[in-house]
Amino acid sequence: DAKTTQPPSMDCAEGRAANLPCNHSTISGNEYVYWYRQIHSQGPQYIIHGLKNNETNEMASLIITEDRKSSTLILPHATLRDTAVYYCIVRPIENSGGSNYKLTFGKGTLLTVNP
Amino acid sequence: NAGVMQNPRHLVRRRGQEARLRCSPMKGHSHVYWYRQLPEEGLKFMVYLQKENIIDESGMPKERFSAEFPKEGPSILRIQQVVRGDSAAYFCASSPRTEETQYFGPGTRLLVL
Repeated sequence: DAKTTQPPSMDCAEGRAANLPCNHSTISGNEYVYWYRQIHSQGPQYIIHGLKNNETNEMASLIITEDRKSSTLILPHATLRDTAVYYCIVRPIENSGGSNYKLTFGKGTLLTVNP
Repeated sequence: NAGVMQNPRHLVRRRGQEARLRCSPMKGHSHVYWYRQLPEEGLKFMVYLQKENIIDESGMPKERFSAEFPKEGPSILRIQQVVRGDSAAYFCASSPRTEETQYFGPGTRLLVL
């Protein structure tokens, strides 16, 4: 049961910003938003995570709305190598019944970066 | 700092044989998680281990599947008497503590003929 909703697919032109949305309307105050991606035939790659504030690292930026019910992953300058399935995952901060280590992967968004 | 290592990357078995999948966590990580990805599906949690202990195996089939993480050496996911339905990609992840970020290996793709 993924607690997130993502569009099944998106396209982006090479060099442009890719903005991937995620809805998590039932998120609670003690749950992170995590993003991973899976390039074809590879293992999931951690991208970024956040709780309330916007976050940025060398790979991407994460914008979380004030009510925390949705977020957007931004790849500022998409390249062909960014073509992958992107997964948005809600994860409890603390362990309660094993919920914080069982990552729940939904279907994700297939981002295709076009030349 | 090497990432999570898994081997073999590809494994072909005939029905009834045994499959052994190995996972070496990142340096400094003592928590290992196994996930399975069936064709065209998302990853599903199977089992969580710390050194010499199985913490949670609730996602693992009760029969034919077992996992271990010995004091020395890699974590092993063992599938006995494989069937065609076991064909999947098996991913291992590791973390330094339960609540921290899990980092995944490249996976082992098991094909049962």
